Amino acid sequence: NAGVMQNPRHLVRRRGQEARLRCSPMKGHSHVYWYRQLPEEGLKFMVYLQKENIIDESGMPKERFSAEFPKEGPSILRIQQVVRGDSAAYFCASSSTYEGPQHFGDGTRLSIL
Amino acid sequence: DQQVKQNSPSLSVQEGRISILNCDYTNSMFDYFLWYKKYPAEGPTFLISISSIKDKNEDGRFTVFLNKSAKHLSLHIVPSQPGDSAVYFCAAGEGRTSGSRLTFGEGTQLTVNP
Repeated sequence: NAGVMQNPRHLVRRRGQEARLRCSPMKGHSHVYWYRQLPEEGLKFMVYLQKENIIDESGMPKERFSAEFPKEGPSILRIQQVVRGDSAAYFCASSSTYEGPQHFGDGTRLSIL
Repeated sequence: DQQVKQNSPSLSVQEGRISILNCDYTNSMFDYFLWYKKYPAEGPTFLISISSIKDKNEDGRFTVFLNKSAKHLSLHIVPSQPGDSAVYFCAAGEGRTSGSRLTFGEGTQLTVNP
C-alpha cells in the first residue's frame, strides 16, 4: 500500500494524558497536512509541514497541540493533557509539491475517557 | 464563518441517473477547488479538481463546473452507480494549487438506489 499511512487507527486516552498520532506520507511526498473532523462537521485544517519546517500552523489550537515532520520518520501530531473536546477523527494528507491534490490517510479516531 | 457551504446534507438518486452535488463559497481568494468522496471509517478520496482559470473539468463519469461570478461549483456524476453512495466533500484552497490549507464544506450524503 503506497498510500498515506496513519497509526494508530484508534486511540483511547484518559483526560490529562498525552496523545501521539503518526503519519507517513505517500512515497515521494514531502508536504504533510493535518486536519481534524469533529462529529457531524467537515474537516478543519490544523497545520501544514514540510520536512523539518512548519509552513502554516494557523489552524492549530494555541495550547497543548504541536506537530513535527522530522528529516527521518513520520510526521507526529502531539496533543498534551487531552480533554474531552479533543475527541475527533484526525486526518493526515500529503502532496508531492505545491501542485496536485492532497491525498488523505484513513485517519486516527481519538477518544477521550 | 462557514466559507464553503454544502447546503444539501443528503441527496438520493436512482442508479443510472445524474447526481448533482452543489457547493457555494464566500472567500474571493479561493481559486482552486476539489471534490472528495468519503466512506465511513476511511479517509477522503480525491475525485477531481478545478482551478479558477477553467469553468469545467471532466474525468470519466465525473464533471466539475465552476461559476466564479456566482461563487458556485457543482459535481455531476453520470451515470450514477450504487458504489457512488458516500459522503461528498467540496474543498477550496488559495494559490491555484494544493500547496495550501484546504477549507472543506460539511459534506453531502449521496445515496444511489439500485
